[in-house]
Amino acid sequence: SQKIEQNSEALNIQEGKTATLTCNYTNYSPAYLQWYRQDPGRGPVFLLLIRENEKEKRKERLKVTFDTTLKQSLFHITASQPADSATYLCALDPSGYSTLTFGKGTMLLVSP
Amino acid sequence: SQTIHQWPATLVQPVGSPLSLECTVEGTSNPNLYWYRQAAGRGLQLLFYSVGIGQISSEVPQNLSASRPQDRQFILSSKKLLLSDSGFYLCAWSVAERGGGYTDTQYFGPGTRLTVL
Repeated sequence: SQKIEQNSEALNIQEGKTATLTCNYTNYSPAYLQWYRQDPGRGPVFLLLIRENEKEKRKERLKVTFDTTLKQSLFHITASQPADSATYLCALDPSGYSTLTFGKGTMLLVSP
Repeated sequence: SQTIHQWPATLVQPVGSPLSLECTVEGTSNPNLYWYRQAAGRGLQLLFYSVGIGQISSEVPQNLSASRPQDRQFILSSKKLLLSDSGFYLCAWSVAERGGGYTDTQYFGPGTRLTVL
């Protein structure tokens, strides 16, 4: 069956460190993968998109990698800040012509 | 710029009562529209999506229904709420382009917190 897996346990890190979140998928061949941020009681906000032919994408302190052989995407936040504390969701389009399927998300807690 | 509105922000309803949640989008034409539910500790569950007026696709069989009476208006309804309908309801939109290079990047509204008692 098709699955998107994100670490269900919260990730606790200290301010200034690099946070790395993982998204694994099985039985998909997505053309792209997206990352969203969700704060408590709010809707998700789009952060980054990476296509299957891209190994890495950067935006300010954010970096996303996409390994279609491992079927994995890594999401990095460098020089993390307490304001980065949120739940991060990965999402992919199973066919390239349908709607997104979201992972359950990983909560990131950055301590001062 | 585009904006998406949802109301009400919070709602407490008794079991068996009807439901109507509304979502409107401004600043874009012919968007794809989506309704999601997020139960406590769970992921986003796609309920309905629409690619045009009167065109509704249901992803999960349930006692909910959706309608799109206008291009930028999406309504989620129920005739009789169940306890299991409690959750955080999110509306989202995306650009209605398909074909090579298309990405279904979605933009979410603020959500409605529904509690069924």
